[in-house]
Amino acid sequence: SAVISQKPSRDICQRGTSLTIQCQVDSQVTMMFWYRQQPGQSLTLIATANQGSEATYESGFVIDKFPISRPNLTFSTLTVSNMSPEDSSIYLCSVGASMTEAFFGQGTRLTVV
Amino acid sequence: DAKTTQPPSMDCAEGRAANLPCNHSTISGNEYVYWYRQIHSQGPQYIIHGLKNNETNEMASLIITEDRKSSTLILPHATLRDTAVYYCIVQRHGGSQGNLIFGKGTKLSVKP
Repeated sequence: SAVISQKPSRDICQRGTSLTIQCQVDSQVTMMFWYRQQPGQSLTLIATANQGSEATYESGFVIDKFPISRPNLTFSTLTVSNMSPEDSSIYLCSVGASMTEAFFGQGTRLTVV
Repeated sequence: DAKTTQPPSMDCAEGRAANLPCNHSTISGNEYVYWYRQIHSQGPQYIIHGLKNNETNEMASLIITEDRKSSTLILPHATLRDTAVYYCIVQRHGGSQGNLIFGKGTKLSVKP
């Protein structure tokens, strides 16, 4: 199994500012994943973060808006840049620490005002 | 897009079995059926997965039809704590299990 800690758990931010979300895993993992869950919606994959290379973004998500760092095998950050109210969502970090299941953090609830 | 179709919501009486259906008519031969659930204000949690045989663990049972085009997740004795959104996902086994395509899921409400 894997234990994932996300910080902050929630935040209220002014539009036009940026927020960096941290994800810490208690074991070394090759890939880390970032998801967005808009209010009342399901989860959508934003990007895959590999250690030592640039993140791979899904359609509709760009690096300028959601820059990701992956400095080592246990840590990653997601920044939500130049925020607008439409960015209000829950952002979740995930890892595939086993061959059969994914583990998720508790999420960061972001409100942009 | 998600490869699965689930009813948007279901109710279940506490102590009774909850049977959650999922259609995955386009599933490929090397794809497994996975179930996750998301309790309010938490991240999704793995429940069970299977290929073609029925599976059971401490949380639930998974029944997959012989043609593999549909499956049912069974919570044998639902409790109030099982109230959550349940997601059925089809995916190849192994590799990067964190890369999941979530559909809309079924919101299960367990009532006293």
